[in-house]
Amino acid sequence: DSGVTQTPKHLITATGQRVTLRCSPRSGDLSVYWYQQSLDQGLQFLIHYYNGEERAKGNILERFSAQQFPDLHSELNLSSLELGDSALYFCASSVAGVPYNEQFFGPGTRLTVL
Amino acid sequence: DQQVKQNSPSLSVQEGRISILNCDYTNSMFDYFLWYKKYPAEGPTFLISISSIKDKNEDGRFTVFLNKSAKHLSLHIVPSQPGDSAVYFCAAPEVPGNQFYFGTGTSLTVIP
Repeated sequence: DSGVTQTPKHLITATGQRVTLRCSPRSGDLSVYWYQQSLDQGLQFLIHYYNGEERAKGNILERFSAQQFPDLHSELNLSSLELGDSALYFCASSVAGVPYNEQFFGPGTRLTVL
Repeated sequence: DQQVKQNSPSLSVQEGRISILNCDYTNSMFDYFLWYKKYPAEGPTFLISISSIKDKNEDGRFTVFLNKSAKHLSLHIVPSQPGDSAVYFCAAPEVPGNQFYFGTGTSLTVIP
């Protein structure tokens, strides 16, 4: 158990809908990272928050947004969903704001868009 | 743009033998590399890392080698055990910028 929790575990929804994925980092970790893993793909970095502020953006679509709240949990919002958004979404946390530190991953949320 | 590449999607090795997993990168600014291991239905877990000031880092049965001139790193597992069967990802942070790049993974199967 990494100490990182993600809810829900599975999500099935329809095209055009909007969903929110939630991540609670390990106690004491200030950084949260979001990744997308599509079929046969590696993990694609989406976004990084550190202590409530956005630190870096990767290949995140404009239809996607995220935030980190004062209690350090984070939410990833996916809107106007398309079939291609079906993937595993992982969040990870680390202590500091620089990406050299080991990241601790949650178990992921599997999103299926029908 | 795949800045970190793992060209072997899968690898099978007999128990007790050496497993060698390879990773190539294109960005010469990368100065730190990490390997993560992932079991099915779980998130990746950190395995070992290496800084570009070193060419080797060892942790028990796991050793990572870095060849900067070739922009290549490899993970050696000796001896391989059935519990090592997992998908292995190499990864690199880009600093500044704070981007993080993962390879597509190599699925290792260790045959008892």
